[in-house]
Amino acid sequence: SQTIHQWPATLVQPVGSPLSLECTVEGTSNPNLYWYRQAAGRGLQLLFYSVGIGQISSEVPQNLSASRPQDRQFILSSKKLLLSDSGFYLCAWRGRGAYEQFFGPGTRLTVL
Amino acid sequence: KQEVTQIPAALSVPEGENLVLNCSFTDSAIYNLQWFRQDPGKGLTSLLLIQSSQREQTSGRLNASLDKSSGRSTLYIAASQPGDSATYLCAVSAAGDQTGANNLFFGTGTRLTVIP
Repeated sequence: SQTIHQWPATLVQPVGSPLSLECTVEGTSNPNLYWYRQAAGRGLQLLFYSVGIGQISSEVPQNLSASRPQDRQFILSSKKLLLSDSGFYLCAWRGRGAYEQFFGPGTRLTVL
Repeated sequence: KQEVTQIPAALSVPEGENLVLNCSFTDSAIYNLQWFRQDPGKGLTSLLLIQSSQREQTSGRLNASLDKSSGRSTLYIAASQPGDSATYLCAVSAAGDQTGANNLFFGTGTRLTVIP
């Protein structure tokens, strides 16, 4: 069966510090991968998606970047965090040719 | 751009009641619609997926319907239980997406509380 992991589960970082969040998927090959952010009181916002290794598309201009160094690994990064980067970050995957998206447990990021 | 709205934002019902959650979307050219459940501080759990060619899907006490032409979907929960308390989100993907990504557009959710 397929599983999706995210770490860390929670993170508190000072403004201006770097960020690296990791997402890995097991039990599938060549999935589509997604990063979403859920801010307090707001809906999910798609940040990045990837249809293959090294292929990253950004949905919104922002202080963040994403990379996909391996088929089932998706990384969300920032060089200098802003207060507005606080939120709940969710990684998701979808099987090639399938329809459902499946989500990871999320990372709660607080920028102080 | 697709906009997804869920009304009401919050709903409280006594245990045992049947209830309906609503979802509307502005662009009827969708590929599919997915209902999710989110418990506080947790990720999303997929409940039901309806293809654009389908009218409804059922799973246990859950039934989701889709009226694509009017841009509406409902999630019916029968005989509600306290364990059903969560936020319910609907999301649609756009037809004709050439990227192959099948990106989802989400509503802001309905927070359901089932009172014992």
